[in-house]
Amino acid sequence: EADIYQTPRYLVIGTGKKITLECSQTMGHDKMYWYQQDPGMELHLIHYSYGVNSTEKGDLSSESTVSRIRTEHFPLTLESARPSHTSQYLCASSALSGYQETQYFGPGTRLLVL
Amino acid sequence: AQTVTQSQPEMSVQEAETVTLSCTYDTSESDYYLFWYKQPPSRQMILVIRQEAYKQQNATENRFSVNFQKAAKSFSLKISDSQLGDAAMYFCAYSSTGANSKLTFGKGITLSVRP
Repeated sequence: EADIYQTPRYLVIGTGKKITLECSQTMGHDKMYWYQQDPGMELHLIHYSYGVNSTEKGDLSSESTVSRIRTEHFPLTLESARPSHTSQYLCASSALSGYQETQYFGPGTRLLVL
Repeated sequence: AQTVTQSQPEMSVQEAETVTLSCTYDTSESDYYLFWYKQPPSRQMILVIRQEAYKQQNATENRFSVNFQKAAKSFSLKISDSQLGDAAMYFCAYSSTGANSKLTFGKGITLSVRP
């Protein structure tokens, strides 16, 4: 399996709290992604980055923000969590160069906002 | 914009039998990649198989193979000799080529395997 890590794996938190979901990869990949996935449902791209200091919003509007200060690290932050943010968040990475590009996924963070 | 359609939300297969999962896509590009990803319950999403559109030969990975019909824009996954560990959600995905490519996923299909 690919070397991409997410912490925490599970998080239960109260409304209004600030949270940061961590994602790190040790493969030196330039591209990183955040997806939101409700149980048994499709994935929605919410943020992506093509390299350090590069971040873009994805197809699904999200109140979260991301940063990319280091190649290996792509944290996602919610300034004020709400019950509507309850979901699973998947991080992925892929190489910018190379003809065959495949995204590798982390184990995900399951977030429950009470 | 590209779209990926998985019209069957659920399928079931008997252990040791063969099952085919359907996927269609829409694109105006001539070169692209197609993928099948597997997401077991509460476990990590992993790549099952990948197909480059310029290759006419269907990709194969052990018990997993695809039927890629470029003209029909169809990309089905065949699982032979199904095992209990194959039970998972399967996602079909499309990616264009180039530095700014992103994955477009289908809605997924839940496969159950009967012992």
